[in-house]
Amino acid sequence: QVQVVQSGAEAKRPGSSVKVSCKTSGGSFTNFAVSWVRQAPGQGLEWMGDIVPIVGSPNYGQKFRDRITITADESTSTVYLEMRTLRSEDTAMYYCARISSPEFWGQGTQVTVSS
Amino acid sequence: EIVLTQSPATLSLSPGERATLSCRASQSVSLYLAWYQHKPGQAPRLLVYDATYRASGIPARFSGSGSGTDFNLTISSLEPDDSAIYYCQQRTIWWTFGQGTKLEI
Repeated sequence: QVQVVQSGAEAKRPGSSVKVSCKTSGGSFTNFAVSWVRQAPGQGLEWMGDIVPIVGSPNYGQKFRDRITITADESTSTVYLEMRTLRSEDTAMYYCARISSPEFWGQGTQVTVSS
Repeated sequence: EIVLTQSPATLSLSPGERATLSCRASQSVSLYLAWYQHKPGQAPRLLVYDATYRASGIPARFSGSGSGTDFNLTISSLEPDDSAIYYCQQRTIWWTFGQGTKLEI
């Protein structure tokens, strides 16, 4: 059975960076896209970007393309989301999902940005 | 960027009733539209993809329709557990979500 497990909660200062991991086990890693979605408090879902590990070139949402990097490490079946120049508005729950049938979502990673 | 507009913002119905949620795209997305259910403290759950196909394990009470710019999610015979926020999502090159419809049962 496929499992998707994300790294733990992060507390960051404004202007710093964060790197969140998303590890897949129990199934193919390279052939399926992994997407990143976030939800800020009281807000809706926002798609941030994705990567298909076998392809390697990520896609980024317009709002995020200057501040995020999505990478994949085939040796550990892990996808990473790095976000730079953090602002208080980046405080949110960050989810990764393996886009397959069925889909498999991680449990979410809370990122809090505060001075 | 393709903008998705969902209506209504909130829908209050009773168990056993039928719910119709709408999603309009700012330009054609063909059939590349999905619907998600999101409950507090949980990850989003895919209900429908490619406009009309139910995802694995989703009850037949949930059905999607539409193409191009206008789409609907219909939930027949509502159950209390259907209370959630429902999002449409377009899946062309760059994905976006609608702002959500809150369904109260």
